[in-house]
Amino acid sequence: KAGVTQTPRYLIKTRGQQVTLSCSPISGHRSVSWYQQTPGQGLQFLFEYFSETQRNKGNFPGRFSGRQFSNSRSEMNVSTLELGDSALYLCASTRGAALQETQYFGPGTRLLVL
Amino acid sequence: KNQVEQSPQSLIILEGKNCTLQCNYTVSPFSNLRWYKQDTGRGPVSLTIMTFSENTKSNGRYTATLDADTKQSSLHITASQLSDSASYICVVSATGGSYIPTFGRGTSLIVHP
Repeated sequence: KAGVTQTPRYLIKTRGQQVTLSCSPISGHRSVSWYQQTPGQGLQFLFEYFSETQRNKGNFPGRFSGRQFSNSRSEMNVSTLELGDSALYLCASTRGAALQETQYFGPGTRLLVL
Repeated sequence: KNQVEQSPQSLIILEGKNCTLQCNYTVSPFSNLRWYKQDTGRGPVSLTIMTFSENTKSNGRYTATLDADTKQSSLHITASQLSDSASYICVVSATGGSYIPTFGRGTSLIVHP
């Protein structure tokens, strides 16, 4: 069974631009969560989507947003990029709610902001 | 403030040896605790997930313990292999219906032949 896929795998942007990242969950999984990983802060939770609805949100500014489509695929958008947004962005999927179930992570999208 | 502290920050051991990683947390109210293994350049892989009522959970050579009274968890790796070289991350989630996980900074394990 195919795992979680993320596209693109690598991305270079400049300050002020916006970026959209995509995540395709494992077939049959309805929850997608997004995370940011940096050397300075480690892993941090961005948000969780379940059946096209945002269920939970971490402590990130409104420049970070997301959505989920009816096929459970999810996109994450960051507007007005800052240098500090350079990070590995990971998504994870679960069959049901992320709180209780095993999460399966994708390989991540590495974003570099210049 | 919810916090998860992991120790040691890094660890070097010889292949075949055992090791134990520690995780202390102040997350409340507690829902579950997870251990992940993350290889360099890859996404984390789930090792174990434990709820309040579980004291021990094993996954092959990995055994996690949880003491909810002292808010401590450990991950014991038996008969280490070179492929165990990775970062091990402890994650604690609070209950209340919302999923807001708190991550530890991880322990970097290097297994030498």
